[in-house]
Amino acid sequence: QSALTQPPSASGSPGQSVTISCTGTGSDVGNYNSVFWIQQRPGKAPKLIIHGVNKRPSGIPDRFSGSKSGDTASLTVSGLQAEDEADYYCISYAGNNNYVVGSGTQVTV
Amino acid sequence: QVQLMQSRSEVKRPGASVELSCKASGYAFTNYYIQWVRQAPGQGLEWVAIVNPSDGDTSHAQSLQGRVSVTRDTSTATVYMKLNNLKSGDTAVYYCATASFDYWGQGTRITVSA
Repeated sequence: QSALTQPPSASGSPGQSVTISCTGTGSDVGNYNSVFWIQQRPGKAPKLIIHGVNKRPSGIPDRFSGSKSGDTASLTVSGLQAEDEADYYCISYAGNNNYVVGSGTQVTV
Repeated sequence: QVQLMQSRSEVKRPGASVELSCKASGYAFTNYYIQWVRQAPGQGLEWVAIVNPSDGDTSHAQSLQGRVSVTRDTSTATVYMKLNNLKSGDTAVYYCATASFDYWGQGTRITVSA
């Protein structure tokens, strides 16, 4: 199972928006609405920010939103804040109790 | 509150085996799958394995075929992941997480070095 494709980096000024893509195949992203977005700040454990393509866990600000079109999922961070500077990973269910992770995107604010 | 408490860091020789543990608390252990994800130094996340604590059914990444096994002890609400024939490329922080990645353990650092 190959990793999902994400851009290595993305950046924006405070208050701007940034969108990160996550491209898979019809065997993972394109076939299941089970896409997760994980935020990982330097030296910290990963943190779930989006599940089920576009659902935010309790406590996650609505500045974070997810979507999917075909084999590509996207994460948009609106109103960028300094605290959003982190690595972001997508994860998709790939069938038969298997999951595949994206290559990761470093967001700079 | 949901907590996943992982075992301590370890240093192993190439070819050795290591068993990591992940003790769950704060919820009904058998109701939710547990995932394992690892992160090599300076690298991204890699999905490793999943276990259904209810019946012990497991699945793992193809890249670790034949070297990884995951078990669970329902009496202690603990999941174990054993990795055999360790290679330098297995050096990583290993995380356990709940089924939908909503709760994560603190991570266990495994270093494989001669």
